[in-house]
Formats: sequence, structure tokens, C-alpha cells
Amino acid sequence: QKEVEQNSGPLSVPEGAIASLNCTYSDRGSQSFFWYRQYSGKSPELIMFIYSNGDKEDGRFTAQLNKASQYVSLLIRDSQPSDSATYLCAVPALSGSARQLTFGSGTQLTVLP
Amino acid sequence: NAGVTQTPKFQVLKTGQSMTLQCAQDMNHNSMYWYRQDPGMGLRLIYYSASEGTTDKGEVPNGYNVSRLNKREFSLRLESAAPSQTSVYFCASSDTNPGQFFGSGTQLSVL
Repeated sequence: QKEVEQNSGPLSVPEGAIASLNCTYSDRGSQSFFWYRQYSGKSPELIMFIYSNGDKEDGRFTAQLNKASQYVSLLIRDSQPSDSATYLCAVPALSGSARQLTFGSGTQLTVLP
Repeated sequence: NAGVTQTPKFQVLKTGQSMTLQCAQDMNHNSMYWYRQDPGMGLRLIYYSASEGTTDKGEVPNGYNVSRLNKREFSLRLESAAPSQTSVYFCASSDTNPGQFFGSGTQLSVL
């Protein structure tokens, strides 16, 4: 089993809808979770991170953790065409230094005007 | 404040040629990383440097070497490029704050 798995999509939602992106992880002991946004042809940009002790809301973005089922979700409310991008989930790597991250392959989101 | 700067942005090599990708960060971060990104494969760690003077292999180190020149700079060298090394390469850095911060990437084609 891969350490981090994401549905590659593409996921399409209409403008104004809620986009829900999921990421499953294999290490039950993971303490932190990261969401990156990557526009086509650009580099990944950190948009959210949460610790295992709770969910987090930042503007239109909410990150939620389900420890029992080992998945973390990113919800984007009032989706805008500018949210169209690939969203990468990352967790600390199982081996190596504490600051290494293992990335999922990403979910491509398209917000339709 | 430029963050993480990578050069070059684009490069075309012939099989067997060598080249060095340069990366520099101005955030005083201790840790630096090199990734490659291929379609459908996500980001895969090639090498990393947890601190100045140390380097370690990541998931896909074969065919690459690295040098942590100082705290700011971390270079990636391809000694004998192969078509399988055609990819987009990203450098990243991190420190005590959560997450890693990425450079703009290098698109490399090996013919």
C-alpha cells in the first residue's frame, strides 16, 4: 500500500459549489498533514496544514481529519474557477528525517464557470 | 526576498551529457530537498539534506548526485543523462515551521 493515496480525478464542480478532495494515508501514527495546490506548469504551494489534534478552517478552505478511517479531506467552499488546479496531499515520511514529506499523486480539480 | 531560486528553468540534453541544477534559498532554512515530478507519479524525493554538511538518498537517487555547498545552496548533478531522467525537477526547503517551500522548477528533456 502506498503511504499516501489520492484519487487522480479529474474532479469537476460548478462555480459556487463545495469541492471535496480526499487523501488516505497508511501510517496510523502520522501527526501532521499538508495540502499543496499546484497550478499547471507551476510549483506546489502550501495552502493548509493540520495536526492530528483537530480540523482547521482558513477562509474558504477547511481541512478535516478522520483518524479512524485514516483519511484527510480538503473542502473548498464557494469554489471559483481560480481554484482549478491539482491538489497534493502530503504526510511526514515513514523513514528518514522528521521533515521529509511523502506526497500523493494529486487530484486535478476543475471548477466550471 | 526570493524564497527558493532554481536555475535553469529549461534544459535540453543529449543522452550521456552531464549537467548541474542549481538551487538557492534565502530563508535561512536548514533542510533542502530535490524532487522529480512525472505525470501521474506525484513528487518523488531524489535526495535531501537535513542540514549543512549532510546529504541522504531519497526514493529515487540512482543516476543523481548532490552537493550541499553551504546553508543556502543545494545542487543536483546528472553525470550521464538518460531519457528516463526527462522530468520536472523541484528544489524545496524547510525549517522549524511546518511544510516545505518550493522553487519554480526545472523542465529537463533528455533526447
